[in-house]
Amino acid sequence: DAKTTQPNSMESNEEEPVHLPCNHSTISGTDYIHWYRQLPSQGPEYVIHGLTSNVNNRMASLAIAEDRKSSTLILHRATLRDAAVYYCILRGNTDKLIFGTGTRLQVFP
Amino acid sequence: NAGVMQNPRHLVRRRGQEARLRCSPMKGHSHVYWYRQLPEEGLKFMVYLQKENIIDESGMPKERFSAEFPKEGPSILRIQQVVRGDSAAYFCASSQGVGNTEAFFGQGTRLTVV
Repeated sequence: DAKTTQPNSMESNEEEPVHLPCNHSTISGTDYIHWYRQLPSQGPEYVIHGLTSNVNNRMASLAIAEDRKSSTLILHRATLRDAAVYYCILRGNTDKLIFGTGTRLQVFP
Repeated sequence: NAGVMQNPRHLVRRRGQEARLRCSPMKGHSHVYWYRQLPEEGLKFMVYLQKENIIDESGMPKERFSAEFPKEGPSILRIQQVVRGDSAAYFCASSQGVGNTEAFFGQGTRLTVV
């Protein structure tokens, strides 16, 4: 399975934007870029996904590099509830999600 | 439309007993995945099933563990003769299909082996 690389941890203050990077230099043409997050003591939660174009939804935005070798999840205004581990995952035709170590986001009031 | 339902939420078993974990996927979803998460660790893929078929069990231990997703009813993850090392959170996810679809996760079953 193609792999992704994310920083182990990041910090943000409440109300500020957060940019979570992800590198996936071995991405194939059919891989979708998915983001999930896991809040403490809960199951993972879908955040957003995309293929080539940037994507926006009510939770976040996903910016995908032109060569698709990296992407950035953007939380426009971080809240305390956004403190979680964020996972960047490539999902292709094998259809299973393989989780890496993710980025632990801390949000300070 | 209820989300992915897992039960029980908490399960305590003595060493040597059997554990049965249930997962009801979201309505209309025919793909089910099971993951295990040890304390303070990441999620490890175990098995991927479609109705009545195991598609990928590459993450499943060869012994004591089995999974099914019958035509009717929930998906079941079964652990026979549990050992202390099986203590973990087990998460189930469901989706409608392949790469361009999101997966939805349940709240997990926390298994404790005493």
